[in-house]
Amino acid sequence: DTAVSQTPKYLVTQMGNDKSIKCEQNLGHDTMYWYKQDSKKFLKIMFSYNNKELIINETVPNRFSPKSPDKAHLNLHINSLELGDSAVYFCASSQGPNTGELFFGEGSRLTVL
Amino acid sequence: AQKITQTQPGMFVQEKEAVTLDCTYDTSDPSYGLFWYKQPSSGEMIFLIYQGSYDQQNATEGRYSLNFQKARKSANLVISASQLGDSAMYFCAMRDNRGQNFVFGPGTRLSVLP
Repeated sequence: DTAVSQTPKYLVTQMGNDKSIKCEQNLGHDTMYWYKQDSKKFLKIMFSYNNKELIINETVPNRFSPKSPDKAHLNLHINSLELGDSAVYFCASSQGPNTGELFFGEGSRLTVL
Repeated sequence: AQKITQTQPGMFVQEKEAVTLDCTYDTSDPSYGLFWYKQPSSGEMIFLIYQGSYDQQNATEGRYSLNFQKARKSANLVISASQLGDSAMYFCAMRDNRGQNFVFGPGTRLSVLP
């Protein structure tokens, strides 16, 4: 039973298209995240939600819009895709302050042509 | 702002030997957590070990141990008896005291030689 699951795992699309990546966690965690891993393997936080509320919004273009319908789900929608958006996007969750590690999904590899 | 530094982009180690992967951090928070993750070529992120800033003893998990030196702000990962399956990227990370942000270092690529 997968703890943090994200779909799709692979996404190939044309520049200018809009796409979404879905994430669900069944761990009962309060906090969920989106991280972007670029081609050099740098992991950078994009967004963090705590109990459906946005708490971290790094300097990410507003073409990226997270949505958290409930605390078990955090989806990522990307408008007008650009070549530089090609990366692996990881969803993750954590229990909260001072408790436990970050649990990652398997990652979604986005390729923009 | 919090920052993690991993000065070794790549490391080689002979199978069955021990290896130390360096990590230094910078934070003004009195309370924080330090983590190590492994990312094999298959891409998933695997949690290895955790050290709390107030923990008196160094963390250990099987063949992994964390050499925590708080005054030097370092949290090096020691892998004993390296195995071929240990070849991967290794990331050091820090969680702030609200648990709401995890900052990652640039990673170290470890190659275990037969």
